[in-house]
Amino acid sequence: AQSVTQLGSHVSVSEGALVLLRCNYSSSVPPYLFWYVQYPNQGLQLLLKYTTGATLVKGINGFEAEFKKSETSFHLTKPSAHMSDAAEYFCAVSDHKRGGSQGNLIFGKGTKLSVKP
Amino acid sequence: DVKVTQSSRYLVKRTGEKVFLECVQDMDHENMFWYRQDPGLGLRLIYFSYDVKMKEKGDIPEGYSVSREKKERFSLILESASTNQTSMYLCASRLIGPTNTEAFFGQGTRLTVV
Repeated sequence: AQSVTQLGSHVSVSEGALVLLRCNYSSSVPPYLFWYVQYPNQGLQLLLKYTTGATLVKGINGFEAEFKKSETSFHLTKPSAHMSDAAEYFCAVSDHKRGGSQGNLIFGKGTKLSVKP
Repeated sequence: DVKVTQSSRYLVKRTGEKVFLECVQDMDHENMFWYRQDPGLGLRLIYFSYDVKMKEKGDIPEGYSVSREKKERFSLILESASTNQTSMYLCASRLIGPTNTEAFFGQGTRLTVV
């Protein structure tokens, strides 16, 4: 069964510093991986996704993530944090158990990012 | 612009009430989902539907039911609301296609049961 682990429920960085949010997955088949962002009292918005092809994926708002099969990781990074990046971030993997790769997404528990001025 | 719309942003209901949460998508997606979000627990799947009138239980279906009479609409029903169902509820839809795709989310409904 697929699963996702996000290391660190809270991460705090200074404005301008590197953002690194960690995600490790467990999957018995080639995974499809996603990062979502949630601003307070909002729904989830897709940041980026990895399906096949290039392992370095670029997303919106300057974020990118690298798929590393050997490490079963899909960490999210941004070179320079901005105050507007303060939000909660969720990593997700496709659930192959239901209807193949077209089914549910399994989410990590989320990482809340704070950005200090 | 793709859109998933949840009927209410905030709801306050009394214990024992029957509660309906409505979700509509305009993308002609086959899959629709209801999640519950609680601090420290992430998103947990309540129910999903892969076609009209078809549904499957997720990880926490107890105390909930769903209805999908039309492709674009997926309703979550709390048969008899309880205080432990106070939570943020998120609806999502997703296309079935030749390549894997992302899910699109509504704005969420924050339900308080008193």
